[in-house]
Amino acid sequence: QLQLQESGPGLVKPSETLSLTCTVSGGSVNSTTYYWGWIRQPPGRGLEWIGTMYYSGNTYYNPSLNSRVTVSVDTSKNQFSLKLTSVTAADTAVYYCASNSIMITFEGVVTPAPIDYWGQGTLVIVSS
Amino acid sequence: DIQMTQSPSTLSASVGDRVTLTCRASQTISSWLAWYQQKPGKAPKLLIYDASTLESGVPSRFSGSGSGTEFTLTISSLQPDDFATYYCQQYNSYSAETFGQGTKVEIK
Repeated sequence: QLQLQESGPGLVKPSETLSLTCTVSGGSVNSTTYYWGWIRQPPGRGLEWIGTMYYSGNTYYNPSLNSRVTVSVDTSKNQFSLKLTSVTAADTAVYYCASNSIMITFEGVVTPAPIDYWGQGTLVIVSS
Repeated sequence: DIQMTQSPSTLSASVGDRVTLTCRASQTISSWLAWYQQKPGKAPKLLIYDASTLESGVPSRFSGSGSGTEFTLTISSLQPDDFATYYCQQYNSYSAETFGQGTKVEIK
């Protein structure tokens, strides 16, 4: 049973970079059976997918955030991370780390499937 | 990009009611659809994947159906623990609109 735990600053200044880390227990970020990613939820609003990464380095990013987002994996610490640059107040949200199961397309590509494990979420406020 | 639209936005119902939530995709996603339940202050929980497969441990009163562009989540007999917000998510192709906007099921 995977367990995911987010960590990072709860307050970020506008124009700066938001950095969060997710620590994985009960499994390995080197696993071939999971994608690792991030979802956010602005206060009182719905879920927004941010991006997800496979151990091999294959990544998928939300096109609306693509130029500002990086998801990376640190195998030595069994963690994965999120960096979101040039933040504004619109980036204020609860950020969830999550793991997707995988599926394999007809072309043999491993892609992310449903999200079966979630962290508890961490609120990040963008304000000066 | 694929867009996901859920209806209704809010549904008022009573304990014991049969309720049906709808999720529509702007283009076909085969059966690559999941449903999640979210309660206030909590992370979402996976209920159904591949449009109709019940996640382990989820009560059998939940069921999903559909393929292509139209999908439903049905709760056969609403229980007090089921009052929550429900989201659909397509994983046919990852785009900005991966999730629907949600349906809140509230007490009538």
